[in-house]
This record gives sequence, C-alpha cells and structure tokens, in this order.
Amino acid sequence: ILNVEQSPQSLHVQEGDSTNFTCSFPSSNFYALHWYRWETAKSPEALFVMTLNGDEKKKGRISATLNTKEGYSYLYIKGSQPEDSATYLCAPQRGKLSFGAGTTVTVRA
Amino acid sequence: SAVISQKPSRDICQRGTSLTIQCQVDSQVTMMFWYRQQPGQSLTLIATANQGSEATYESGFVIDKFPISRPNLTFSTLTVSNMSPEDSSIYLCSVGTGNNEYEQYFGPGTRLTVT
Repeated sequence: ILNVEQSPQSLHVQEGDSTNFTCSFPSSNFYALHWYRWETAKSPEALFVMTLNGDEKKKGRISATLNTKEGYSYLYIKGSQPEDSATYLCAPQRGKLSFGAGTTVTVRA
Repeated sequence: SAVISQKPSRDICQRGTSLTIQCQVDSQVTMMFWYRQQPGQSLTLIATANQGSEATYESGFVIDKFPISRPNLTFSTLTVSNMSPEDSSIYLCSVGTGNNEYEQYFGPGTRLTVT
C-alpha cells in the first residue's frame, strides 16, 4: 500500500470558475494512476487511468496530467458547474490500488 | 463496464452484532474486492474475494472479523462480525472485469453505523 496525499482536502469554487488540485505519490515502481469521482450516495466513477509520464487525459471539462518522475498528478476542472460537486479520489496502482483521502469540491451557483 | 449492486445500502446496528453485506455483479468478473472508508479516512482495501478459495486479507484485517464468501463469479458477501462503533464506515464492493488490467468498478456502498 502506497502513501498518497491529496491537496487541498476541500475547496469551494464559484460556478464558472476553473480549479485544480493535486495528488502526490511515491514515484518508484509506478504502474498506473487512477482518478475517480465520488458523489454522495453513488458509486465512485472512474474518470481516468494514466500510465505514461507526461500523459494528459480529458473528459469534457475535466482533464488530468501525470508526472511519474516526480510523483504527482493534477486534475483540472474548467468552468465549474454545480454537478461537478463531488469528492475526487486518486489512486496510484502498484499491483493494488492505494487511495488518497480525496479532494472534496463544492461548486456554488 | 460492470453494474454492481450492494445490499443493504445502509444500516444501523448494535455493538456486538454482525452484519452481512451482499455484492451482486451483472456479469462474470475475475476480481472482486472489498474496501471500507472510515469517517475522514482514505478508502482502504480489506481483502480480495477469491472464487472457490479463502479470501486474501490485507494487513490489519482478519478472517474472524471480516469473513468473506465468493460462491461464484458474480456474487460475494462480506460480514462485519462482533461490531463496535469503530466499524462505522462505508463498505464498498469493487470488481475488475479482466478486459483491461487497469479497470476497476465500484458498487454504491453500504453505510454502516454501529451504536
């Protein structure tokens, strides 16, 4: 199980603003990095899986980048909407997934 | 992808009792996992449910406390035994379909409160 840190723990964003947050993990023996979105009372939803240094993935207004050499990933939300309110989890994979505590995003209308 | 359901969705239980959580998948899957998230903590892997053999438990989790069954490739149960307030958590079932080694899907979770 890897030591994973996500920051900030929570953030509030005005509707229409863009935001980003960080996932840090040990860079050695890296295999893959997962991002999930978890809304209250729902299943965690897989957003991205990234494996290569420099990977960039995009899904609508949400995108992510990966730096395996320094051990971090950024997730960006462009033009935040109320439906983006959720907890975003990252999980590096070395065999099994190790989850961070998440960044809880609240988008204010 | 896989559609996963869990029962119950939530429960409030008395300390000292046991609760069995069911996980049903709409297709046969190779890997099934059980996680928990205690309040304010990360999602933590409890065990891998193996079809036809004993589950593989992570450090800090034991079979006597969290017995797991997996009778076939679409179903598994997790029992939380002799519960205490520290067992109050969200318990999630997760599956890997085997189609893509990276893909892992989650159920909606069971919210357990122990009083």
